[in-house]
Amino acid sequence: DTAVSQTPKYLVTQMGNDKSIKCEQNLGHDTMYWYKQDSKKFLKIMFSYNNKELIINETVPNRFSPKSPDKAHLNLHINSLELGDSAVYFCASSQNSGEGYTFGSGTRLTVV
Amino acid sequence: QKEVEQDPGPLSVPEGAIVSLNCTYSNSAFQYFMWYRQYSRKGPELLMYTYSSGNKEDGRFTAQVDKSSKYISLFIRDSQPSDSATYLCAMSATDGNKLVFGAGTILRVKS
Repeated sequence: DTAVSQTPKYLVTQMGNDKSIKCEQNLGHDTMYWYKQDSKKFLKIMFSYNNKELIINETVPNRFSPKSPDKAHLNLHINSLELGDSAVYFCASSQNSGEGYTFGSGTRLTVV
Repeated sequence: QKEVEQDPGPLSVPEGAIVSLNCTYSNSAFQYFMWYRQYSRKGPELLMYTYSSGNKEDGRFTAQVDKSSKYISLFIRDSQPSDSATYLCAMSATDGNKLVFGAGTILRVKS
C-alpha cells in the first residue's frame, strides 16, 4: 500500500564505489523527483522527471545519473562515491506541484 | 541570501500552547505555499497547502500567506507531544515547477 517506496532504506559503502537507489510510486503521478537532505535537514532538489522525460537538472555532479524506465519508476545511480555524498536521499512524486509532493521514507547513504 | 528563510529553532513549548512557525521568502513569483511535517528518520508529510494569499484551516492547523510581506505562517492550536517534529515550509512559482524548501524548524512539545 506504500505510495512512494524507496530501496534500500540504508546504504553504507566505501569511497569510490558505484551504487543505485530505486524508487517506485503507485499513485499514478506524472512527475517524480530526487531530493537530497543534508545533515542540517536542508532539502535540495536534484532532478525531476515528467512522464520519463528529464525536466529539472540542478547543479549536481555528473557522477549522479537518474533513470526513469517508466513514469512509475525513477532510479538514481551514483558513480565514484565521495564522503560528501553522505546524506538522506528522498524520492517524491506529484501530479500538480501546487498541491505538494508525496515523499518516500528516504535512503540514508553513508560513505566511509 | 537563500530564497526561503526559516528559523531552525529548536522551539520548545508546553503541551496545549499555540505554536507559530514562520518563513520569509525573496522570490515574488512564488504562488504555491506548503507546510510539511517530518518526524525523525521519516520522509516529509504534507500538512497544508495554499495558493496565493489568504488563510486556510484544517483542524488544529491554520496556514497564512501574506504575499505583500513575503511571509507565511503555520499556527498549531492545542499543541500535543505528538506534534514534536521538524516543520518545513515549501513554495513554488508555478504548477509543475520545483518546490523550494526552507531549512525546517524543530518543534518540541513538552507534556
